[in-house]
Amino acid sequence: DAMVIQNPRYQVTQFGKPVTLSCSQTLNHNVMYWYQQKSSQAPKLLFHYYDKDFNNEADTPDNFQSRRPNTSFCFLDIRSPGLGDAAMYLCATSLRWGDNEQFFGPGTRLTVL
Amino acid sequence: DQQVKQNSPSLSVQEGRISILNCDYTNSMFDYFLWYKKYPAEGPTFLISISSIKDKNEDGRFTVFLNKSAKHLSLHIVPSQPGDSAVYFCAASGSSGGGADGLTFGKGTHLIIQP
Repeated sequence: DAMVIQNPRYQVTQFGKPVTLSCSQTLNHNVMYWYQQKSSQAPKLLFHYYDKDFNNEADTPDNFQSRRPNTSFCFLDIRSPGLGDAAMYLCATSLRWGDNEQFFGPGTRLTVL
Repeated sequence: DQQVKQNSPSLSVQEGRISILNCDYTNSMFDYFLWYKKYPAEGPTFLISISSIKDKNEDGRFTVFLNKSAKHLSLHIVPSQPGDSAVYFCAASGSSGGGADGLTFGKGTHLIIQP
């Protein structure tokens, strides 16, 4: 089945220790997104890639970076995680620029100790 | 400032009855609205959507109504079934090119269907 896969599902890191979250997709979609969802909050868009073009949301902290080495994979790097970065991180895809429907992975829950 | 608001964190409905989930938005540039359903330990899955040029869209047991003047939309599920128990997110898209700039989500409503 075509899908969006996120690894790991649960990630524990220490305060200030860099961490990388992974997303892969077998849908061959052009657009990939990263959302952050804190407890009882709405998912919030961090950034997205249209193909290799990176688009950062204005209020996304510099501590968050992303890489997309190819169509299938996208990574979220948190350079120096703080306690406030503990959240669920959701990866999503859409087929084309301009498509409204997005397909989500199961998420990675990040804990910062 | 929350642009998409779901004011009911939870809703309990008896099986077989109608479930009505509400969503309000403040940004008049939003032109496309979606509902996502989320089970525990899974990502949100697309349920139904509506363009701002319509006021109703129906898909089986699910109907979404849009009232642009009130900046309000609602999701009706009838009849409600136990498998409908989940968190429902309202989302909006505002770019003229569609949702490629990402979706703006509400906080979600946890729907509980009671037997």
